[in-house]
Amino acid sequence: DVKVTQSSRYLVKRTGEKVFLECVQDMDHENMFWYRQDPGLGLRLIYFSYDVKMKEKGDIPEGYSVSREKKERFSLILESASTNQTSMYLCASSSGENIQYFGAGTRLSVL
Amino acid sequence: GNSVTQMEGPVTLSEEAFLTINCTYTATGYPSLFWYVQYPGEGLQLLLKATKADDKGSNKGFEATYRKETTSFHLEKGSVQVSDSAVYFCALSMNTGFQKLVFGTGTRLLVSP
Repeated sequence: DVKVTQSSRYLVKRTGEKVFLECVQDMDHENMFWYRQDPGLGLRLIYFSYDVKMKEKGDIPEGYSVSREKKERFSLILESASTNQTSMYLCASSSGENIQYFGAGTRLSVL
Repeated sequence: GNSVTQMEGPVTLSEEAFLTINCTYTATGYPSLFWYVQYPGEGLQLLLKATKADDKGSNKGFEATYRKETTSFHLEKGSVQVSDSAVYFCALSMNTGFQKLVFGTGTRLLVSP
């Protein structure tokens, strides 16, 4: 089975902190994605990557950056966390079959 | 742009009732269509998919048919169980480019015994 692992289930951070969310997949997938999930808004794409060191902006990239130094790992970075970034963050990966596999999510609270 | 609209929830049903969750889409071209399910405390997982018009996706007793004429992909199940309680997301992906998914807002299903 495909496994997508997010490093933390819950995080609490202070406004202004730099925050790293880590995601690792074990199926050698080319594509990886970061979403945020908010009530009434569904999932919104923040960034995605189709290869090592490659990244593309999604629909809501402002306030976020990403890093993909290895194929299996895709990191989401909040350079200076703000309260409006309190959300559930979901990582996903996919290959050529056009099915995305999701991690369990990280619930981030910014105080 | 491409978008997905699904019915607001929550949908509250008794066990063994018939389920329909409506989903319509707007897309330039011919997308693939998906239903994902999110059980409490978990990430999303693929429930079923259809890649072209008139295709029917099915899994775990759930079905959805890709209707190009009505741009719809409604999810149905003949007899729901308590264990089906979850949030259901309709999504589309264009069959070119980087396989980005466009999601609906999700519909919460609550099934009582």
